[in-house]
Amino acid sequence: RKEVEQDPGPFNVPEGATVAFNCTYSNSASQSFFWYRQDCRKEPKLLMSVYSSGNEDGRFTAQLNRASQYISLLIRDSKLSDSATYLCVALNAGNNRKLIWGLGTSLAVNP
Amino acid sequence: DTGVSQNPRHKITKRGQNVTFRCDPISEHNRLYWYRQTLGQGPEFLTYFQNEAQLEKSRLLSDRFSAERPKGSFSTLEIQRTEQGDSAMYLCASSRTSGRSVETQYFGPGTRLLVL
Repeated sequence: RKEVEQDPGPFNVPEGATVAFNCTYSNSASQSFFWYRQDCRKEPKLLMSVYSSGNEDGRFTAQLNRASQYISLLIRDSKLSDSATYLCVALNAGNNRKLIWGLGTSLAVNP
Repeated sequence: DTGVSQNPRHKITKRGQNVTFRCDPISEHNRLYWYRQTLGQGPEFLTYFQNEAQLEKSRLLSDRFSAERPKGSFSTLEIQRTEQGDSAMYLCASSRTSGRSVETQYFGPGTRLLVL
C-alpha cells in the first residue's frame, strides 16, 4: 500500500463546476500536508499547504481530517486553466523532511 | 530569476553512457532534494543534502547513481552506465530549514532523460 493514495481520475468537469479530490495517508506521524499542481511536462508547484483547521485560498479549500487520515481539496467555480494534475503530498515526520507523493489526480475542465 | 534552475532541461543518451545533471538551488537554501518522476507517477524521493552533507539515499538509488553537493550550493546527479529504465524526469527541489516549522520545497523545471 502506498503511503499517500489518491484517485487518479481523470475528472472531467464543465466550467463553473465544483470538484473535490480526496487523498488518504497511512503514516499517522505525518505532520504536514500539501497540495501541489503539476501541468503537463512541467515541475510541480505548490498550490497550498493544508493545516489542521483547514484553509481557503480564493476558489480553493483544503481540509485535513487526522482521525480518518485524509485530506481534501475543493475547487469551486472551476476554470479552464485549472486543468492539471493535483498531487497530494505528506511531509515525512523524520528529520529529512522528504515529501511523500501521491500519484496525482488528473482534472480536465471543459468549456 | 532566483528560482531553482536545472541543466540540461533535456538529455537523450544511448544505453551505457554516463550522464550528469546539475541543480542550482535558491540562494541561502540549505536543503536540496533530488526526486525522480516517471509518466503517470508522483515524484519519488532519491536523496537529499543539508548543506554539503548527503544525509539520506533512497533504495531507488542504485550504485550507478551518485550525487554531490561539494560546496553546499549547487548539486550534481550522475548516472553511470545508463539503462532504459532510467528514463524519467529528474526533479531538484530546495528549501530552508527553520527549526521545527514547515518549510516549503521549491522545484526546478526538471531534467528529462531519455535513454535509447
